[in-house]
This record gives sequence, C-alpha cells and structure tokens, in this order.
Amino acid sequence: EAGVTQFPSHSVIEKGQTVTLRCDPISGHDNLYWYRRVMGKEIKFLLHFVKESKQDESGMPNNRFLAERTGGTYSTLKVQPAELEDSGVYFCASSQVGNSPLHFGNGTRLTVT
Amino acid sequence: GDSVTQMEGPVTLSEEAFLTINCTYTATGYPSLFWYVQYPGEGLQLLLKATKADDKGSNKGFEATYRKETTSFHLEKGSVQVSDSAVYFCALLDTGRRALTFGSGTRLQVQP
Repeated sequence: EAGVTQFPSHSVIEKGQTVTLRCDPISGHDNLYWYRRVMGKEIKFLLHFVKESKQDESGMPNNRFLAERTGGTYSTLKVQPAELEDSGVYFCASSQVGNSPLHFGNGTRLTVT
Repeated sequence: GDSVTQMEGPVTLSEEAFLTINCTYTATGYPSLFWYVQYPGEGLQLLLKATKADDKGSNKGFEATYRKETTSFHLEKGSVQVSDSAVYFCALLDTGRRALTFGSGTRLQVQP
C-alpha cells in the first residue's frame, strides 16, 4: 500500500508569504496528525483530525496556521503570513483507529527567510 | 504536562560498538513508550514500543525496557552497524491522549 505522502518535500519562502503544505494519508486511515520539528528540537504535536473533524488542535501555535481536511481524505496546513520562527520540518502521520500505530510521511522542510 | 528528555547528540560510534541512548520521561498517567527512527531522507518509523512497566520492546537488535521506578526507557544495541546511522526519537503516549509527546532526537553516526 502507498504510505503517507507529503508535498512539497522542501519549501523556501520569504517572511510574510503564504505556504500550503499537503498530506495524503494512507487510504482508509481516519486519523490524521500534524507535527512539527523546529530547529532540531523536539517534535511537537500540532493537531489531530478524525475524518474531517478537528479532534484536538491544542498544539496549533497561533491563528496564522490553518489546517483543513475536507472530505476526510487529504489535509492541508496553511501558514499565512509566514514568520521566521515557522521554519522547521512538518510531519504528517495517519492511523486506522485511535490506538493503532502511526505511519509518518517524510515531512516537508519549510524555510522562511 | 508530559515531557520526554533524551541525551543530546550527535553520538559517534565505530561499527560493532555498544550503543546506549538515554531517555527519561514525565507523565501524569500510565503511558506507553516508543522509540522512533528517522533514516536520512525518510520519515519516522516505529522501531519498538512497550506498553507497561517492565515490558521490553525489541526490534532489529535494538532493545529498551520500560522502567517505571526510574521513569526511563533507554535504547540499547549490542553491536551497531553503519546502516544504523539515523536520528532516534523517544516518545510517549499518555493515558487518554491520542497525540505522542516526543523528545528532541539523538543523531547517531556509525563509522566503518
């Protein structure tokens, strides 16, 4: 089966611009998670979807970040406007049911200059 | 809140050396513990896990034992290979939570 796919793999944008990251989970996986690793620090939870509903968005840093999962399939994470501190690697993960193993994508490396 | 602390890297070893990467945690409930590995250019992969105290997780020659008394889950391997070079993340999933709490990662470099 195809794994979790993230696009793009790298993105370099200027401060103040907008970027949209995309995640395609494994087909049939209702749970979708976004995580972020900033500057070699710990990987931090951003939010969790169950199908198209946001189950937990307690990790979203501020209102410049908007995540959507229309139709309960792929998800997008938009950063608008981007700031320097948003640079990092954004990981997406999916799982079939709540406590089943997470499958991670390769991540999107975002650089804001 | 929950937290995971792991040793800073990079850890540089020669092939066939013994590996230990320390991990300690703080949790409010009874967490499950995990080690994830990220090989260059790839995503995170689950390496091993343990769901209760005294459980030992093992995979690919790696082992870690869930020690509740010391709140630790140290990763060990008896003889590392060049192919083990990667970043290793310790993580926990606390009771009633769906989201993992990760440590900062430890880069392992194994030299021939």
